[in-house]
Amino acid sequence: GAVVSQHPSRVICKSGTSVKIECRSLDFQATTMFWYRQFPKQSLMLMATSNEGSKATYEQGVEKDKFLINHASLTLSTLTVTSAHPEDSSFYICSARGVLERGGLVTDTQYFGPGTRLTVL
Amino acid sequence: GENVEQHPSTLSVQEGDSAVIKCTYSDSASNYFPWYKQELGKRPQLIIDIRSNVGEKKDQRIAVTLNKTAKHFSLHITETQPEDSAVYFCAAKGGTSYGKLTFGQGTILTVHP
Repeated sequence: GAVVSQHPSRVICKSGTSVKIECRSLDFQATTMFWYRQFPKQSLMLMATSNEGSKATYEQGVEKDKFLINHASLTLSTLTVTSAHPEDSSFYICSARGVLERGGLVTDTQYFGPGTRLTVL
Repeated sequence: GENVEQHPSTLSVQEGDSAVIKCTYSDSASNYFPWYKQELGKRPQLIIDIRSNVGEKKDQRIAVTLNKTAKHFSLHITETQPEDSAVYFCAAKGGTSYGKLTFGQGTILTVHP
C-alpha cells in the first residue's frame, strides 16, 4: 500500500514552453501533497504544500505564478512549470500523506513519487 | 520555522561495521522524525520513523534514537552491507499544520566490501 506515481519520469523541453507534471496516489486518499525540487547532491527543497480543494501554500522564494499547483482530487495533484527556462532544470519530486485505510487517521508519513527529471534547453 | 542540521555529510565504513548519522532540530514542538534512504536517481524511501513520545525504535539492523531535551535524533545501522550505500536524509515535522517536513542536508553513506 501507499504507492505514489509521477508522470512523466523525464521531460526535455524548449525554453519558453510549459510543462505539466502529475502526481497520483494509487491506493490511498492523499489529503495533502507536497512538491519538492532537488538539485544534484543536495537535499529536498520544499516548494509548496497543496491540500485537496484549496489553494497551495508556497514556500518563501517560490514563485506561485511560475509553478502552478492544482490538487483537484484526493488522488491527483499537478505541478505546471510555466515558461520554463534552463535554470528550472531540476529533479522534481512529489510526496503525499493521507488516509491509508477506510476510517483511518491521516498519516504523518510522506510517500514519495519516483520524480521527474526536467531538462529545459 | 524548523531548522534541521545533519552530520556527517559523508560517511565511509567497512562492510560489517556500524554507521551512525546524527540530526538536530530547532522546533521543540516537532513530533515526528522520519529517516529516508535515497539511491541515485530514485525516490526517497522511508526506512524508519519515530514519534516524540518514544525514545528509541528498532527494525532489524536499523534503529533510531530521540533525545527531546537536547533536540537531536540519530540513525544507527549495524552490520552494514554494500547495498546500504545511499544518501540518507533525516527530517522533522513541526507542530504546525499540514505535516510539512523539514529535511536535513543528507549523508552520503558508502559501505566498502
